[in-house]
Amino acid sequence: EVHLVESGGDLVQPGGSLRLSCGASGFTFSSYWVHWVRQTPGKGLVWVARIKGDERTMNYADSVKGRFTVSRDNAKNTVYLQMNSLRDEDTAVYYCARGAYHLYYLDFWGQGTLVTVSS
Amino acid sequence: QSALTQPASVSGSPGQSITISCTGTSSDVGAYNYVSWYQQHPGKAPKVMISDVSNRPSGVSNRFSGSKSGNTASLTISGLQAEDEADYYCISYTTSSTYVFGTGTKVTVL
Repeated sequence: EVHLVESGGDLVQPGGSLRLSCGASGFTFSSYWVHWVRQTPGKGLVWVARIKGDERTMNYADSVKGRFTVSRDNAKNTVYLQMNSLRDEDTAVYYCARGAYHLYYLDFWGQGTLVTVSS
Repeated sequence: QSALTQPASVSGSPGQSITISCTGTSSDVGAYNYVSWYQQHPGKAPKVMISDVSNRPSGVSNRFSGSKSGNTASLTISGLQAEDEADYYCISYTTSSTYVFGTGTKVTVL
């Protein structure tokens, strides 16, 4: 059974940094893209970033480019989202999701981890 | 990377059909057949209902269907049921190798 679990969410001050983790199980991890999606409480979904299974190809939304970095460790079946220079507007629940194999949609999602940026 | 445009809310009575639109540009919705739709109940993670414009993943009710014309994709829910009350989001792959979500639509079953 495919399983994704996010962790690392916390309260952080503006300008601070935080690293989220997404642990995966139940599939051949290195064969899949993994995406990060965020949702401000009570608001809509926003795509943040993705990383290919080869660990070398990443894409980012303009709103986080230059501040967030996505990486992965296939030996640990884990994807990371390093978030720097955090702003109030980065406050959200952050989900990781698996990209469907060789397709362009997100087929399995974690339950999310809450990041709060506030002084 | 502006969000795709969806109606804020759509409602219908049980048994009726409703359609949710998702309007983008020639750089996203109009560029590829890579639009998918997600259902999200309060406090839950999103669930894929339609992939690649009109494909239904295994386990999704055939009451859900999708289509696309130009820069606008649509999700239709037929035979509306109480359990369909939720938020619905479209998402499209873009020519920049990124993705963009729609603004979201709240579906209410009257």
